[in-house]
This record gives sequence, C-alpha cells and structure tokens, in this order.
Amino acid sequence: QSALTQPASVSGSPGQSITISCTGTSSDVGNYNLVSWYQQNPGKAPKLMIYDGNKRPSGVSHRFSGSKSGNTASLTISGLQAEDEADYYCCSYAGSNILIFGGGTKLTVL
Amino acid sequence: QVQLQESGPGLVKPSETLSLTCVVSGYSISSGYSWGWIRQPPGKGLEWIGTFSHSVSTHYNPSLKSRVTISPHTSRNQFSLKLNSVTAADTAVFYCVRVIGGNYFDNWGQGTLVTVSS
Repeated sequence: QSALTQPASVSGSPGQSITISCTGTSSDVGNYNLVSWYQQNPGKAPKLMIYDGNKRPSGVSHRFSGSKSGNTASLTISGLQAEDEADYYCCSYAGSNILIFGGGTKLTVL
Repeated sequence: QVQLQESGPGLVKPSETLSLTCVVSGYSISSGYSWGWIRQPPGKGLEWIGTFSHSVSTHYNPSLKSRVTISPHTSRNQFSLKLNSVTAADTAVFYCVRVIGGNYFDNWGQGTLVTVSS
C-alpha cells in the first residue's frame, strides 16, 4: 500500500474556508468510509479531528468537517483562525486490518 | 481520562533491537478497544506500525511486519513494541495510541524520540 496523497501545503486568510484533499485508491479511501483526520502542532502529538469520514469527536469545533467523493477524502475548515495553523494528516483503512496515512499538509494562516 | 506514556531508550545502535513500553492509565487494556504504535521520522509524516486487541490478533504494517512485535502486558496495563535490526532510517518519534473501531486513534501518548546511531 502506498501513502495517501495530500498537498504539501495550503494557505488561507482568517475567516476564509480551506479544503485539504486526501487521495487514495479504490482499495482504501474509495472502498471504505473510514477516513480520519489529525491536527499536529509543532512538537506535539497529533489530535483526532474527524473520524469515520465525517464525524467530529466531542470538543472539536464545528468549523471542521469531512467529506468524500470517489477515491478522495477532504477536510474543510471554515472560518479560518490563526490557531488552526498546523500540520494535518489523513488516515484510511485499507482492508486486511491495515491503516495508511497521507503525507501531511502544512496549513498556513496568512 | 485515558492517558498513555511511552518509555524506553532514546538511543539504539544499528542492527540492534528497539524496545519501547507504553503505560496506560485510566482504562484497562484488557477491557476492550485496540492499542498500537505509530512513528514519525524527524520532519516527516506519520506511519502506522501495528495494532493489537485482545479479541483479535495483532496486525502490522506490511513494510515492517518481518521486524516488528507488539505485545500486551495485561497485568501491568502496558504494551510494548520491539523493532529488530534497526537502521538510521528507523530514527523517529514513536507514539503509542488507543485505536477505536480498528481504524482511528483517539488517544495518543506524548511521543518519545528514538535515535539509531553508533
């Protein structure tokens, strides 16, 4: 299994919406609605933001949402805030009890 | 509240075995869920290493399967990671995690850096 494909970087201004894509194949992202998203600040452990494609854990802002179309999952952050600046990773179930991550996307809030 | 804490040597010599332990508090690992390890080389992305649960078998990343063993130590509410025949490419921050539904990670340890160097 190859890593899922994410853009290396995205940017946006405060108040705007941004979307981070996560492209896999019909064997992983396209075959299961089991994509999760993680936010990682420098020097910190990742934090779960979205699971099962579009579900938010308790305590995660409603500004974060997940979706999927075909083999591509997406994380959308609306009403961008300075505190959202971080690295974001997607992860998908790939069958046979295997999990694969995307390469990560650095979000810059301008 | 579930808390996970990694521990182990921060420096391992090439060709030797990397050994880490994850101490879990606030939840019994034998009560359910799955548990596992993820690593992150410096400046790079996350890589799933493997997962175990008591009701199922242990599952490993195919790229590491020949070198990895994850084991539960139920009496101490801990689980461990062993990675054999390490090289410099195995230098990374290692995180222990709780795994929900076999596919997402809701609790993470703070991570521990292991450097492979002579």
